[in-house]
Amino acid sequence: GAVVSQHPSWVICKSGTSVKIECRSLDFQATTMFWYRQFPKKSLMLMATSNEGSKATYEQGVEKDKFLINHASLTLSTLTVTSAHPEDSSFYICSAKLQGARTEAFFGQGTRLTVV
Amino acid sequence: TQLLEQSPQFLSIQEGENLTVYCNSSSVFSSLQWYRQEPGEGPVLLVTVVTGGEVKKLKRLTFQFGDARKDSSLHITAAQPGDTGLYLCAGHRGKLIFGQGTELSVKP
Repeated sequence: GAVVSQHPSWVICKSGTSVKIECRSLDFQATTMFWYRQFPKKSLMLMATSNEGSKATYEQGVEKDKFLINHASLTLSTLTVTSAHPEDSSFYICSAKLQGARTEAFFGQGTRLTVV
Repeated sequence: TQLLEQSPQFLSIQEGENLTVYCNSSSVFSSLQWYRQEPGEGPVLLVTVVTGGEVKKLKRLTFQFGDARKDSSLHITAAQPGDTGLYLCAGHRGKLIFGQGTELSVKP
């Protein structure tokens, strides 16, 4: 099946710094990618929908200035957590939708962010 | 309010037992997917059901989509320790909406 690669798998950063997470579709083009946040033993919460070549669509309650999303090519979307704080510590997961597919099915392996 | 109610949220059973996980909603979904997730990993798609009343089998796993496309179930026969993980249902309504997840632990 299609592969979505997320990098890094884990990152530790200091409060106040920014962290960039990459999501790549390795063997297919993804016009739409999705970013989720997951708390321990909890479900996935959609943060935003990333559209290639246009602005991301953020879910209610998600600060777009804090979670910057860029989808500059058909195979890469990035999520930048700006001025990170300990409460931003979480598991961030991206997914990608095959062109023409009704829904996405392929998830990255996730990024564990710890802000100290 | 949770659009997709998944139950039970936690399940601990012995190897060899059978189990069923339910995913219920008052809303209709165009499709519903089941995922399995292990700690520190992303969810892995198990199945997509599209047609009301559809039943799909994946080895010891049986997935059913309700006739009205509002609910689904996952039945595991003769569970094994390797089945341990977080099981997530997700319905598609313009975007994927996830249930709360079922944490399954199968003890040898």
